Amino acid sequence: NAGVTQTPKFQVLKTGQSMTLQCAQDMNHNSMYWYRQDPGMGLRLIYYSASEGTTDKGEVPNGYNVSRLNKREFSLRLESAAPSQTSVYFCASSDGQGANTGELFFGEGSRLTVL
Amino acid sequence: DAKTTQPPSMDCAEGRAANLPCNHSTISGNEYVYWYRQIHSQGPQYIIHGLKNNETNEMASLIITEDRKSSTLILPHATLRDTAVYYCIASPFYNQGGKLIFGQGTELSVKP
Repeated sequence: NAGVTQTPKFQVLKTGQSMTLQCAQDMNHNSMYWYRQDPGMGLRLIYYSASEGTTDKGEVPNGYNVSRLNKREFSLRLESAAPSQTSVYFCASSDGQGANTGELFFGEGSRLTVL
Repeated sequence: DAKTTQPPSMDCAEGRAANLPCNHSTISGNEYVYWYRQIHSQGPQYIIHGLKNNETNEMASLIITEDRKSSTLILPHATLRDTAVYYCIASPFYNQGGKLIFGQGTELSVKP
């Protein structure tokens, strides 16, 4: 049981390049999330998907796009990377039902550097 | 979502109870209090949540005041491995998923 798996774990990009961060969960969860964490800061929500087929903006969606490919997978795309997007990206999932709505399971993070 | 306020840092002696406070004076009736922690650079880990009753699990206890304006997370016997940033979050209950907004948290240092 892998939980939440993120790929890649590390990536270096040049300004203007594009890339997609992949996230998959094997817990049959309904909701999935993408957060970013800058050095010394708390997590900020980029996008989330409450259920398969829906996506919503979080606190800092600009410069990102997401796709809920199916119930298991939720990808985050940077179309034209900027140095300000250098961060650690965390994917999370939750059952999304009842009182367990806020019980999120996180991946190990993807460390992105944009030069 | 209600704003939460936590002290930026706290120390605790190993083996003693760690009591982490959180103020959420504007919490509404349908908002749960969630606690997470983040050890070093790992992904955050869910600890516990509650609505208005005190809660206990294998990791911690959550004490919510009767007026629900504040809460305390208690780690009964802190160990060095409990050194982490602890986040208190107030978020509504949703039937079809929702979102958690993390703040700055409290950096807990457990010392020998």
